[in-house]
Amino acid sequence: DIQMTQSPPSLSASLGDKVTITCQASQNINKYIAWYQQKPGKAPRLLIRYTSTLESGTPSRFSGSGSGRDYSFSISNVESEDIASYYCLQYVNLRTFGGGTKLELK
Amino acid sequence: EVQLVESGGGLVQPGASLKLSCVASGFTFSDYWMSWVRQTPGKTMEWIGDIKYDGSYTNYAPSLKNRFTISRDNAKSTLYLQMSNVRSEDTATYYCTRAEWLSPFDYWGQGVMVTVSS
Repeated sequence: DIQMTQSPPSLSASLGDKVTITCQASQNINKYIAWYQQKPGKAPRLLIRYTSTLESGTPSRFSGSGSGRDYSFSISNVESEDIASYYCLQYVNLRTFGGGTKLELK
Repeated sequence: EVQLVESGGGLVQPGASLKLSCVASGFTFSDYWMSWVRQTPGKTMEWIGDIKYDGSYTNYAPSLKNRFTISRDNAKSTLYLQMSNVRSEDTATYYCTRAEWLSPFDYWGQGVMVTVSS
């Protein structure tokens, strides 16, 4: 099965910063990676699918890139509403989540 | 509006069985693959498995395959998760999710908590 290594586990940012989270798959996942945002007490929300396709309603300050085994997710100009945890998910072969990244305000 | 509503959680003793349900509305349930995902108290997300739209095929996470069974009743728009021989490490919030083949989970239920403890 495919493993997803997500880093960093936590991230501290100031409002307006750009932050980047990475996920590395244990094998080529052919861009079948999605990114989720989760706020406390809520279900995850799908932000990006197939590496870089933004879901309807996802602000343009969110972006994704990558190929093969290595992928990244960025938030430019962090806003207070972006304070949450973020997870990657590979869905090319069964499904595997990354370990998550908790984004906090500096 | 798509809605997924889980039920059946609670406190259960180690070694017991438990069946979770998820009632779907707002879309044609029988057209979609459905999945269960769980999140541990430490916030680790784990995919449990999924079931084909007609119930004819299931996939499971290798570590859970022998104890968990996913089924569905399309006439009732309901997804099920049968958990057997539960362990303390099964303590988690369990989510019902929708996903097409080669697609990520696009809709999630609100989650239901399962606590395994004596």
